[in-house]
Amino acid sequence: EAGVTQSPTHLIKTRGQQATLRCSPISGHTSVYWYQQALGLGLQFLLWYDEGEERNRGNFPPRFSGRQFPNYSSELNVNALELEDSALYLCASSRWTGGPETQYFGPGTRLLVL
Amino acid sequence: SQQGEEDPQALSIQEGENATMNCSYKTSINNLQWYRQNSGRGLVHLILIRSNEREKHSGRLRVTLDTSKKSSSLLITASRAADTASYFCATAGGHRGYALNFGKGTSLLVTP
Repeated sequence: EAGVTQSPTHLIKTRGQQATLRCSPISGHTSVYWYQQALGLGLQFLLWYDEGEERNRGNFPPRFSGRQFPNYSSELNVNALELEDSALYLCASSRWTGGPETQYFGPGTRLLVL
Repeated sequence: SQQGEEDPQALSIQEGENATMNCSYKTSINNLQWYRQNSGRGLVHLILIRSNEREKHSGRLRVTLDTSKKSSSLLITASRAADTASYFCATAGGHRGYALNFGKGTSLLVTP
C-alpha cells in the first residue's frame, strides 16, 4: 500500500509570492490534514479536509487556504508569502470512522521564503 | 498552542538501555498518539492509545496513559542506535476535534 505522498519536496519562493503544495492520501483515506513545522514553533495544525470540505482550521491567517479534490488529494495554498512561512509542511491522512484515528504522514514539503 | 508537553526535552543513552519519555496534556482527549521523526523528515506513527486504555505494547514500545493525571509515557526497551530521533506525543479530541495537538518533542540520542 502506497503511503502519503507530497510534492514538491523542496520549494523556494520570495516574499509576496504564492506557494502551492500538494498531497495524495493513502488509498481509502478520506481525511487530509495539513501541519506546519517551523523552527522553534513545533508542529502546528493548519487545516483538515474530509469529503471535499474544510472541517477545521488552526490559528493561521486566511492567506493559508486549501482544498480537497474528488479523489481526496489536497492542495495547500499560501498567499503573500512571508519570511516566517519558511517551514516543513506536513500532510497526513486518515480513515473516517466517526472519531479521530491514526494519522499517517507524508515526507513533507520544505518551503523556504527568501 | 501546544497541547502536549514532553519531558525530557533531550535524552542521551547507550545502546541496550531503556529510554522513557513522558508527555502531559491539558484538556480531555479521545486518544493519544506517539510519533517518531528522523532528521526533520516526515513523522512515523508508533502507537495510538485510546482514552479508555491504560497500557499498550508494540514490539519494544510500551505506552501508558493516565487520564486522571493527563499524562502518558513511552518506554523504548533495549534501545538501538537506529532509535535516535525526535519523539512526539499528539492528542486528538478536545476543541480541535480530530486534528492532532503536538508537544515539542523529546530528542533521543542512542550511542553505540
